Amino acid sequence: GAVVSQHPSRVICKSGTSVKIECRSLDFQATTMFWYRQFPKQSLMLMATSNEGSKATYEQGVEKDKFLINHASLTLSTLTVTSAHPEDSSFYICSARDGGLITGELFFGEGSRLTVL
Amino acid sequence: AQTVTQSQPEMSVQEAETVTLSCTYDTSESDYYLFWYKQPPSRQMILVIRQEAYKQQNATENRFSVNFQKAAKSFSLKISDSQLGDAAMYFCAYRSGQGGSEKLVFGKGTKLTVNP
Repeated sequence: GAVVSQHPSRVICKSGTSVKIECRSLDFQATTMFWYRQFPKQSLMLMATSNEGSKATYEQGVEKDKFLINHASLTLSTLTVTSAHPEDSSFYICSARDGGLITGELFFGEGSRLTVL
Repeated sequence: AQTVTQSQPEMSVQEAETVTLSCTYDTSESDYYLFWYKQPPSRQMILVIRQEAYKQQNATENRFSVNFQKAAKSFSLKISDSQLGDAAMYFCAYRSGQGGSEKLVFGKGTKLTVNP
C-alpha cells in the first residue's frame, strides 16, 4: 500500500516554543491530507483538513492560530504547534488519500508524539 | 452528522480462536465507505479491511471478514484463527461517499487482547 511518513516521531520542547511536524506521501500525490490528535487510550480526533495550495479547513474548536497547517506541495503537509503548552502534549497523526484510488481509503503516518515541558 | 459506535471497549480471544468486534453507525446517506483500522502498540494505523456501501457482498481479507448489514447500519469485524500479532486497538471508521467529503469518522475503539 501507499506510504505516508511523519517526522519527527518524537519531540520534546519547552513551553512557549513552536514545533513543526512534517507529513509526506512517499509514493503518491495527495491533494488532501488530514491531521488528527489522539489522547491516551482514546480515539482519533480530526483537527483539520489540509488542502494543497489552499487554506486548511479546521474542525470546530481547533484554534487556527495555534495549529498552523501548510500544504505547499502534493507530497508534503506540515503542522506547526505554536507557543506550545503542556496541554498540547499529545500524539499527532497525519493521513493522506491516494487520489489514484477510488476506494477512499486513507493511509496513515507513523504518528508524532509531542511532549511539552 | 455521522456517528460511529463501538460498544466493546475491550475484547479478548484465545490464540487460534475466532472473535467478532462490533460496530454500528448512524447516517442518512446511501453512499459511503466503512473501514476497520488496526493500531498496534507502535501506534501506526493500519487498514485492515474496507467495505463500499453499494456492495452487498461482505468484504474479506484473508483471516479478516466483515458482516455488513446496511439496513441495520452494522459493520462487525470477524477475525478467524487469531494470532498474537492481532493484539491491538481496532477502530471502525466511516467516510461519506459524497465528493469533497473525505474525512473519516472514527469509533472509540476496541482493545483486542490475544491470549496464548
